[in-house]
Amino acid sequence: LAKTTQPISMDSYEGQEVNITCSHNNIATNDYITWYQQFPSQGPRFIIQGYKTKVTNEVASLFIPADRKSSTLSLPRVSLSDTAVYYCLVGVGFSGGYNKLIFGAGTRLAVHP
Amino acid sequence: DAGVIQSPRHEVTEMGQEVTLRCKPISGHDYLFWYRQTMMRGLELLIYFNNNVPIDDSGMPEDRFSAKMPNASFSTLKIQPSEPRDSAVYFCASSLLGIAGGPSSYNEQFFGPGTRLTVL
Repeated sequence: LAKTTQPISMDSYEGQEVNITCSHNNIATNDYITWYQQFPSQGPRFIIQGYKTKVTNEVASLFIPADRKSSTLSLPRVSLSDTAVYYCLVGVGFSGGYNKLIFGAGTRLAVHP
Repeated sequence: DAGVIQSPRHEVTEMGQEVTLRCKPISGHDYLFWYRQTMMRGLELLIYFNNNVPIDDSGMPEDRFSAKMPNASFSTLKIQPSEPRDSAVYFCASSLLGIAGGPSSYNEQFFGPGTRLTVL
């Protein structure tokens, strides 16, 4: 089954920009790319999503190249509270006729003072 | 809305016992997902329902696992008999109808707080 691939962990310092890339070679043509954030002892929560090019909201930006086989989550000027695990989620084609939703393994981001 | 509600929050049981996890999705949502999270395997989709009907259970690890959704406001995940390797955090999530008639990452999934299961 198709997988998504992301770095296991990243370290950064307060005020820096962090970019996390997810590879998803078999993304379904009709599906989006969504990123989630998870804090310890909580369920994942939605951060941002996009279909192509660039999307920006109040907390992050998402860059998607034309072939859509990867995406990059960009967190501007991170703070200690951004320390969390970040997951990408995509749909891939499934023989059952529906897209199968696949979460990446997650990237553990540690922000240091 | 109170969000997705799961119970219990923590469950400790002994190998061989039956375990039932419960979930109340957000009212009006069309999809309900059950996930299992472990350090080794990350977030795994076990099964999802559309309008109370199980659609894809290919992630259910084996026959010891079963899930039901008797109505739009309640779902259960049952493990019988439980084994130590079932120890994990189990999340329930719900979302609205996806694009193209099926589940899509387009529709935000709202996760519950999870049930931490420990099987001794």
